[in-house]
Amino acid sequence: AQSVTQPDIHITVSEGASLELRCNYSYGATPYLFWYVQSPGQGLQLLLKYFSGDTLVQGIKGFEAEFKRSQSSFNLRKPSVHWSDAAEYFCAVGGLTSGGYNKLIFGAGTRLAVHP
Amino acid sequence: DTAVSQTPKYLVTQMGNDKSIKCEQNLGHDTMYWYKQDSKKFLKIMFSYNNKELIINETVPNRFSPKSPDKAHLNLHINSLELGDSAVYFCASGLGITGELFFGEGSRLTVL
Repeated sequence: AQSVTQPDIHITVSEGASLELRCNYSYGATPYLFWYVQSPGQGLQLLLKYFSGDTLVQGIKGFEAEFKRSQSSFNLRKPSVHWSDAAEYFCAVGGLTSGGYNKLIFGAGTRLAVHP
Repeated sequence: DTAVSQTPKYLVTQMGNDKSIKCEQNLGHDTMYWYKQDSKKFLKIMFSYNNKELIINETVPNRFSPKSPDKAHLNLHINSLELGDSAVYFCASGLGITGELFFGEGSRLTVL
């Protein structure tokens, strides 16, 4: 069965520091991979996605992620964090149902706190 | 224009009551979903409809009944509410091929 693991429940960084959020997935075929961000009291916003091709994908708000098949990972990175980046980050994998439809399976999320 | 909109945003009710949450999307997507986010922020899929047809039905108590009158609307009705139903319920829509989803802002249900 498909699954997503985000090993870090909570991360704190200083403003201006670099950031890497880890994500590992389990999926039998080439996965569709996503990172979403949820600000307090808000819905989920798509940061970036990987379907195929270049394994380094760029997203909104200066985020990027790299797909590494050998490590079953899709880690999210940002070179310099801003205070407004404080939020909950979810990694997700698109998995097929028995009926051939796709559904998103989410990791447990990583809460990012940013110190001034 | 709001792409995926849910109402109400907040819902406080007593145990045993019945309540509904409505969702509408104007993105032209064929597939709509309900996800439940618990107090630990874990997101779990509940249902999905594709062109008014139920295609995903996870292990959810039958007190929960989704209804899709057309492909732009997906409602969730919950009977005999229990304390454990307290959560944020997210509606989403997507193309159904890649799994990319567009989420509403959520409906926070509190059962007292």
